[in-house]
Amino acid sequence: NAGVMQNPRHLVRRRGQEARLRCSPMKGHSHVYWYRQLPEEGLKFMVYLQKENIIDESGMPKERFSAEFPKEGPSILRIQQVVRGDSAAYFCASAEGQGAPRAFFGQGTRLTVV
Amino acid sequence: AQRVTQPEKLLSVFKGAPVELKCNYSYSGSPELFWYVQYSRQRLQLLLRHISRESIKGFTADLNKGETSFHLKKPFAQEEDSAMYYCAPNLNEKLTFGTGTRLTIIP
Repeated sequence: NAGVMQNPRHLVRRRGQEARLRCSPMKGHSHVYWYRQLPEEGLKFMVYLQKENIIDESGMPKERFSAEFPKEGPSILRIQQVVRGDSAAYFCASAEGQGAPRAFFGQGTRLTVV
Repeated sequence: AQRVTQPEKLLSVFKGAPVELKCNYSYSGSPELFWYVQYSRQRLQLLLRHISRESIKGFTADLNKGETSFHLKKPFAQEEDSAMYYCAPNLNEKLTFGTGTRLTIIP
């Protein structure tokens, strides 16, 4: 079991471009969480998804950000028209079931907007 | 409002000295509480959870409902304990992280 895989590890985008961050959960895990870590700050919850469903998106900015977790394939966090303030590390975690009794984290994607 | 607070952003401790990383929470009910750790260039990983009452790498954490605290303790710090530590209660079916404390062990 390779663990939670995120790619790319590093992503550079110019202002106005789109960023797509991928997260492949651990085998057998059907729940995915996305967190954002801004420089010098802690982890902020963004969204919680189950296969084909968004369970809780209370931490997602209202515009430009979206997330999906299709029946097949990885979970995708999509940021449209990126701005400098989107520069951060984005972490994904997966869990077997609801309530994240134990969540396993990926190594994160560091997004830099230039 | 439901929240978790880690009052110290930075903490430096001499090797061999006791360590205490503070965590306070404010919400109703009895959520499950975790401590996560992130060593340099490694992914975030679970250190311990309060319901298991286990000791990992010499660390323990006791849930104090009266003080609404879940402080992380170790009697004798080691250099390899230098890392970022996050207190994380499970609120509304999701992990909610504190702002974290960067622990540095001074040789």
